[in-house]
Amino acid sequence: DVKVTQSSRYLVKRTGEKVFLECVQDMDHENMFWYRQDPGLGLRLIYFSYDVKMKEKGDIPEGYSVSREKKERFSLILESASTNQTSMYLCASNPGYGYTFGSGTRLTVV
Amino acid sequence: KQEVTQIPAALSVPEGENLVLNCSFTDSAIYNLQWFRQDPGKGLTSLLLIQSSQREQTSGRLNASLDKSSGRSTLYIAASQPGDSATYLCAVLTGANNLFFGTGTRLTVIP
Repeated sequence: DVKVTQSSRYLVKRTGEKVFLECVQDMDHENMFWYRQDPGLGLRLIYFSYDVKMKEKGDIPEGYSVSREKKERFSLILESASTNQTSMYLCASNPGYGYTFGSGTRLTVV
Repeated sequence: KQEVTQIPAALSVPEGENLVLNCSFTDSAIYNLQWFRQDPGKGLTSLLLIQSSQREQTSGRLNASLDKSSGRSTLYIAASQPGDSATYLCAVLTGANNLFFGTGTRLTVIP
């Protein structure tokens, strides 16, 4: 089975900090995604990547950036964390026949 | 833009009952439809994937059907158990990695 691993389950960061959320998949998939999930708003796509060093903006990229230096790793970066970025962050990969999600990172910005 | 709706938003049933969750989408031009389960505070677990050319998929007590022309899918859960309590999400893929999620159905199975 495909495994998508998010390194942190819970994170608490201070406003203004630079935050890195890490995601690793073990099946050599080209497509990887970052979503955030908020009550009443559902899942919203932040960024996605088709291949190494390639990235595309999703629906809500403001305040975020991404890095994909190796095929298996896709990092989400909050350049200067703000309280409105408190959320559940979900990483996913898709080889073309279905999405596999990680277990999520609950980020709280105080 | 694709819109995905799930009805009901919440459902409570006694253990052992068979149940159906509904998903509807507005644009029938989809590549596939995927059903997920999400436990509180956790990520999404894929349950079933139906390609656009398929009518149904089965896994254990779960059966998902797809009627692309009418924009509907159902997830049938047989002999429900308390461990089935979770939120169930459907999502449709419309190409170029455009995945649209439904609003979810929160299921509670009462022992």
